[in-house]
Amino acid sequence: GQQLNQSPQSMFIQEGEDVSMNCTSSSIFNTWLWYKQDPGEGPVLLIALYKAGELTSNGRLTAQFGITRKDSFLNISASIPSDVGIYFCVVGANSKLTFGKGITLSVRP
Amino acid sequence: DVKVTQSSRYLVKRTGEKVFLECVQDMDHENMFWYRQDPGLGLRLIYFSYDVKMKEKGDIPEGYSVSREKKERFSLILESASTNQTSMYLCASRRLAGVLGNEQFFGPGTRLTVL
Repeated sequence: GQQLNQSPQSMFIQEGEDVSMNCTSSSIFNTWLWYKQDPGEGPVLLIALYKAGELTSNGRLTAQFGITRKDSFLNISASIPSDVGIYFCVVGANSKLTFGKGITLSVRP
Repeated sequence: DVKVTQSSRYLVKRTGEKVFLECVQDMDHENMFWYRQDPGLGLRLIYFSYDVKMKEKGDIPEGYSVSREKKERFSLILESASTNQTSMYLCASRRLAGVLGNEQFFGPGTRLTVL
């Protein structure tokens, strides 16, 4: 089946630092999404991207939809403790979502 | 705000038991989904439903069935629970398929342990 590549599995950063996460696929997708899952909760949509090359911001978050439609990145600037959680890149096709394996982010105060 | 609720946060069952996981959404969404989440594997789609009495297999339907008798409720059934079904189960809903911007809203999850 479709596979999304997210690595590393875990990231550890200092509060105030910026962090970048990348996601790649061997297939082309027309919808790329980034979800975040807080501990003990279900995932919540952060940013949705629908156009190749699109760059979208949501507060301290910035995400881009790769021009080849095979990749996306998410940047978090000036990290804070509540940024901890699992970040999933997600692609949409045929009305279904396919999730990457996620990156667990830890923020040291 | 959309609210998706799941009947239990934690559940412990024995091998061979029949298990029902219930999900209810309060926003009149047509589409509903069941995923399981395992460490290092992300979320995997088990079953989904476009509307009442409709169901489609996801990527890992084996060992599961579903029921959608009412629009707001989507049930996941484990006919005979096995230890490899120990997992976190997440329900989600969405207003309409194929419409840009229609995100999936998730419930808090049910952590099921099968002994």
